[in-house]
Amino acid sequence: EADIYQTPRYLVIGTGKKITLECSQTMGHDKMYWYQQDPGMELHLIHYSYGVNSTEKGDLSSESTVSRIRTEHFPLTLESARPSHTSQYICASSSVESANTGELFFGEGSRLTVL
Amino acid sequence: KNQVEQSPQSLIILEGKNCTLQCNYTVSPFSNLRWYKQDTGRGPVSLTIMTFSENTKSNGRYTATLDADTKQSSLHITASQLSDSASYICVVSDRGSTLGRLYFGRGTQLTVWP
Repeated sequence: EADIYQTPRYLVIGTGKKITLECSQTMGHDKMYWYQQDPGMELHLIHYSYGVNSTEKGDLSSESTVSRIRTEHFPLTLESARPSHTSQYICASSSVESANTGELFFGEGSRLTVL
Repeated sequence: KNQVEQSPQSLIILEGKNCTLQCNYTVSPFSNLRWYKQDTGRGPVSLTIMTFSENTKSNGRYTATLDADTKQSSLHITASQLSDSASYICVVSDRGSTLGRLYFGRGTQLTVWP
């Protein structure tokens, strides 16, 4: 089992609220990622980081923001949630070696519902 | 158009039966292809990786094949169990970038009935 944790697993909030999804890994991986996944659809990369103080936007445009102040921590924030943000957000990490083979270690996901 | 297409979209089989899931890709250049298993409400977990030179690889009851010429891969599950019910995702990695850009299929939703 990979040591990557996400909280909360489920979150239901009202429109306009600020939310932060937490992601932590204890494997010492430099690379971390956030994916967004809607039911029956593929995972879309929305943010990634190669290390502390490094963050980049992914392929899918997202109004969320991320930070990487510590190697093990990669939180995702929505300043003002909207119903269109309802989705599953999955965090992942990889070492340099595993990234070269395309292997990511995924968290269990955070299912966000915005009313 | 997605560069990784999986079929069927969903599949229902009886416990103990075998099944084969398909993955066709157009990603180029090709580095490797992974099959992931994603249980409902969980993150994906890697089952097997196929590199350019590999044709067949087994992991317990799972056997993956790769035809790099036709850009097709399959995942065969033998003697299915109820715990095999999950989404199986094909992920292709290209070559050249540090990130090793990943292309995700939409998955095949497998349901195993008792």
